[in-house]
Amino acid sequence: DQQVKQNSPSLSVQEGRISILNCDYTNSMFDYFLWYKKYPAEGPTFLISISSIKDKNEDGRFTVFLNKSAKHLSLHIVPSQPGDSAVYFCAASARRGSTLGRLYFGRGTQLTVWP
Amino acid sequence: DGGITQSPKYLFRKEGQNVTLSCEQNLNHDAMYWYRQDPGQGLRLIYYSQIVNDFQKGDIAEGYSVSREKKESFPLTVTSAQKNPTAFYLCASSIRALSGRDTQYFGPGTRLTVL
Repeated sequence: DQQVKQNSPSLSVQEGRISILNCDYTNSMFDYFLWYKKYPAEGPTFLISISSIKDKNEDGRFTVFLNKSAKHLSLHIVPSQPGDSAVYFCAASARRGSTLGRLYFGRGTQLTVWP
Repeated sequence: DGGITQSPKYLFRKEGQNVTLSCEQNLNHDAMYWYRQDPGQGLRLIYYSQIVNDFQKGDIAEGYSVSREKKESFPLTVTSAQKNPTAFYLCASSIRALSGRDTQYFGPGTRLTVL
């Protein structure tokens, strides 16, 4: 069963506008979250992360918001650029438990930024 | 330059043959991981290793085997028991074992096609 869910397989946004990618999780043990970006036939690259002690983390055009009560996080990209077109994966991990040290990934959202 | 190397980029094998995918890292990372990516499935964990001579099954370990004889190397063997071996395989590593906080860094991937 998917413990990290990205319910939108695709998102299309005009250049210059905001892109909002969403992610939900079910495991209350998760306390660290990451976003990765992936181009076709390449490995994912790390974008930004957030710990559960925060509700927001910002890095340039990328901001991640965490709502622990709703078990929801989102990645905001402002302004969106054509080079942002890629698949974005949400991932989560737990500091405790038998699965310590591994990440759980969502299925990804394909972002397309058009001119 | 430090990084993760996966070779070859593309690999073709006949059905029924075992094949070993290479993963090498010179980042001095303790933990290493193998994922499989299929369209619409996201990244699924096959095996991971937190320390030399130790590894754990991930979510889809059946039909795969690994070894971790050296810190920098984590080869994956796709055996003939794997029913659908054609996929994009990704290797990753992270600095510390059993952290739950460390970013995983990915290699460029190997596209395996079984004919």
